[in-house]
Amino acid sequence: GQQLNQSPQSMFIQEGEDVSMNCTSSSIFNTWLWYKQEPGEGPVLLIALYKAGELTSNGRLTAQFGITRKDSFLNISASIPSDVGIYFCAGQPIIQGAQKLVFGQGTRLTINP
Amino acid sequence: SQTIHQWPATLVQPVGSPLSLECTVEGTSNPNLYWYRQAAGRGLQLLFYSVGIGQISSEVPQNLSASRPQDRQFILSSKKLLLSDSGFYLCAWSVGGGWETQYFGPGTRLLVL
Repeated sequence: GQQLNQSPQSMFIQEGEDVSMNCTSSSIFNTWLWYKQEPGEGPVLLIALYKAGELTSNGRLTAQFGITRKDSFLNISASIPSDVGIYFCAGQPIIQGAQKLVFGQGTRLTINP
Repeated sequence: SQTIHQWPATLVQPVGSPLSLECTVEGTSNPNLYWYRQAAGRGLQLLFYSVGIGQISSEVPQNLSASRPQDRQFILSSKKLLLSDSGFYLCAWSVGGGWETQYFGPGTRLLVL
């Protein structure tokens, strides 16, 4: 089945540093989504991308839909302690039909104050 | 605005007992509904999705079943739980029509002993 390669799997950074993570696929995607999940809670949507090349910001977060439609990245600037959590990318593959998403395995972000 | 509810929040059940987890969505009509399972520290595995009342698609063979008795109600069931059914169960909804941005509920943590 479809798979997304999300990297890195984990990150340990100092407060104030910038963060970058990405997802790649061997297939073309229609939609790229980025979620954040905190312990014991459901994932929360951060940014949704619908067009190749689209660059979208949400506060200190910026994400881009790759031109090839096979990748996306998420950047977090000036990290703060509340950024801690697991970040998931998700995509709607063009060949799989409109109803389903494929998820990456997540990037666990830890911040040292 | 739309909201999604799941209950119970936590459940401890013995092996071989039945299961019923409920998910309801408010503030939207004819949503697509999804059940995911998440093992500890891992990504999301799609179990079932539904595009309408009584319409269920199963993604993986398993000990679980799903039903959609009403437009905004999605139920995950099992007749006899296995140890391997333990995990964090997430319900999600999306608006149909190709824009598959999914929004997640708070989740149910199931521990089978």
